[in-house]
Amino acid sequence: AQTVTQSQPEMSVQEAETVTLSCTYDTSESNYYLFWYKQPPSRQMILVIRQEAYKQQNATENRFSVNFQKAAKSFSLKISDSQLGDTAMYFCAFPFQGGSEKLVFGKGTKLTVNP
Amino acid sequence: SQTIHQWPATLVQPVGSPLSLECTVEGTSNPNLYWYRQAAGRGLQLLFYSVGIGQISSEVPQNLSASRPQDRQFILSSKKLLLSDSGFYLCAWSLPPTGLNTEAFFGQGTRLTVV
Repeated sequence: AQTVTQSQPEMSVQEAETVTLSCTYDTSESNYYLFWYKQPPSRQMILVIRQEAYKQQNATENRFSVNFQKAAKSFSLKISDSQLGDTAMYFCAFPFQGGSEKLVFGKGTKLTVNP
Repeated sequence: SQTIHQWPATLVQPVGSPLSLECTVEGTSNPNLYWYRQAAGRGLQLLFYSVGIGQISSEVPQNLSASRPQDRQFILSSKKLLLSDSGFYLCAWSLPPTGLNTEAFFGQGTRLTVV
């Protein structure tokens, strides 16, 4: 089965602290990308960070970084120095290939950054 | 640069009425196109995706249909809306996975309320 699982429906963090959102996926592919998207209250989906599966180095974009464990099929997002503007829904996404070319999202994690 | 337009932004329709949501992409050719639905407080559910004109794949059996009459036009339709069709609908596009980098770009979304 091609699935993307986010096991944390809601999380909260204090401003300036660090929070980690988890994501696991199931695939038989060997080369692929993984994505984290952010959906703020405006509902506009924004790409936060992407990871190439064949790269062992974890991707980093400013305060956002991933912990990619390919063997465990785990792809967590770490947000450092959390800011109020980070309050949003966060979705993990995986493009399933094998001829289907589907982009499938997890159910999302609602993150609230408290002042 | 590529842009995606989705309209209308909001829509209130009575039960049993037809539906037509339109999405167009500019600045690219032969994109993969997607329709997602996001119910209140829930994740993104993939409804349809298309890899070319007239090629539609349905992910879930439902009251909705999709069409792709032109390369960069994707339409979501219903002949008779149900109350359960209410939700937030997102159109998205991505490049074909020549490099497996199927980052998706989203429209602004349509909030549909069926009354």
